[in-house]
Amino acid sequence: GENVEQHPSTLSVQEGDSAVIKCTYSDSASNYFPWYKQELGKGPQLIIDIRSNVGEKKDQRIAVTLNKTAKHFSLHITETQPEDSAVYFCAASISSTNAGKSTFGDGTTLTVKP
Amino acid sequence: DVKVTQSSRYLVKRTGEKVFLECVQDMDHENMFWYRQDPGLGLRLIYFSYDVKMKEKGDIPEGYSVSREKKERFSLILESASTNQTSMYLCASLGQGGTANYGYTFGSGTRLTVV
Repeated sequence: GENVEQHPSTLSVQEGDSAVIKCTYSDSASNYFPWYKQELGKGPQLIIDIRSNVGEKKDQRIAVTLNKTAKHFSLHITETQPEDSAVYFCAASISSTNAGKSTFGDGTTLTVKP
Repeated sequence: DVKVTQSSRYLVKRTGEKVFLECVQDMDHENMFWYRQDPGLGLRLIYFSYDVKMKEKGDIPEGYSVSREKKERFSLILESASTNQTSMYLCASLGQGGTANYGYTFGSGTRLTVV
């Protein structure tokens, strides 16, 4: 089955700096890669995703890149703000099989210091 | 606009009790999932369902069962709760094909403590 590894497990940055979280996956058939943000006391919320036919996607201060050959994808947050502090999860799935179930990384706790 | 609702935010149960965790979604999604979340272990899939009365085991189904009698409701059952089932339980739903967004919608979670 799919295995997703996520690094780092914790990340602390100064407000205004950039943050990068990296994930690798094992199943070359995976074709959908979402990122979730989980704030304290809440369930994870989808913030951005990328499909295997795209190399990069941006949404304001966040971007995701995908390297299919190397089987890794990354989340980039620019101009970080204290409200970006949360746990971030990457995931991988094959969208057309097994109900589209996702395999998750172990999460990265991001702390943005004011 | 709440879309995935888990019936309890916090539960405390005794060892050996039968425990029901309920999840309801209002998006007419075919697929529903139960994950447990533990520190350092990420989200691990317990069971999922792709249709009414259909269920599939995830990665850690031991000690759990599920029920999906109606499309909108997916229940997780701990037949005989044990202390190692103390965890945060997350329910999620996912639309099927033809939609641009394949991401999960999660509920807020149920923190279960077994004593």
